[in-house]
Amino acid sequence: GAGVSQSPSNKVTEKGKDVELRCDPISGHTALYWYRQSLGQGLEFLIYFQGNSAPDKSGLPSDRFSAERTGGSVSTLTIQRTQQEDSAVYLCASSLAGGFVSPLHFGNGTRLTVT
Amino acid sequence: DQQVKQNSPSLSVQEGRISILNCDYTNSMFDYFLWYKKYPAEGPTFLISISSIKDKNEDGRFTVFLNKSAKHLSLHIVPSQPGDSAVYFCAANPGSGNTGKLIFGQGTTLQVKP
Repeated sequence: GAGVSQSPSNKVTEKGKDVELRCDPISGHTALYWYRQSLGQGLEFLIYFQGNSAPDKSGLPSDRFSAERTGGSVSTLTIQRTQQEDSAVYLCASSLAGGFVSPLHFGNGTRLTVT
Repeated sequence: DQQVKQNSPSLSVQEGRISILNCDYTNSMFDYFLWYKKYPAEGPTFLISISSIKDKNEDGRFTVFLNKSAKHLSLHIVPSQPGDSAVYFCAANPGSGNTGKLIFGQGTTLQVKP
């Protein structure tokens, strides 16, 4: 498909377990973002990758969260020792060149539930 | 602290009428604003944007108005259609460079009744 692909679409995990969320951006898009949406809240920025530059991790809520982007394409967001407050929809987005003028194209998200 | 606020969680309008969605922001350094639309179980999709140097941008049935002195923007949809029923998010670029790290509001759920 031509859009941003995220997997899994749903994930239920027990508190304390680690989870990995995957994002396949649109081919050719140099910028990749992770956001999350908690219940009743707006989207919250987590991390931003642009080309080969060091990622901007300023939105990660704790050191339990990390992300990598391999080969400038696929990205994985890892949450270690999950907590109930981590429950949210995690959205990945890519854009052609980065920056706000190049619109973000979002995937359908991964709904994470921590029990 | 909520820097971008959408104070109306929901809005219901009749098909064919105008829908007006509002958004307020707190920081005068914000220099670019965007509206995204989200259907259930899908990611948000870009709708329309406006630079802080303008006060209006129009694209078909969608118009965004920006009032910098009031730190307020609004999205007008005319005429509203049932397919416009979705959650609408207002977003702002914080002005700290061209990074795409947007600050989003909480969203307004629009229902357009046939």
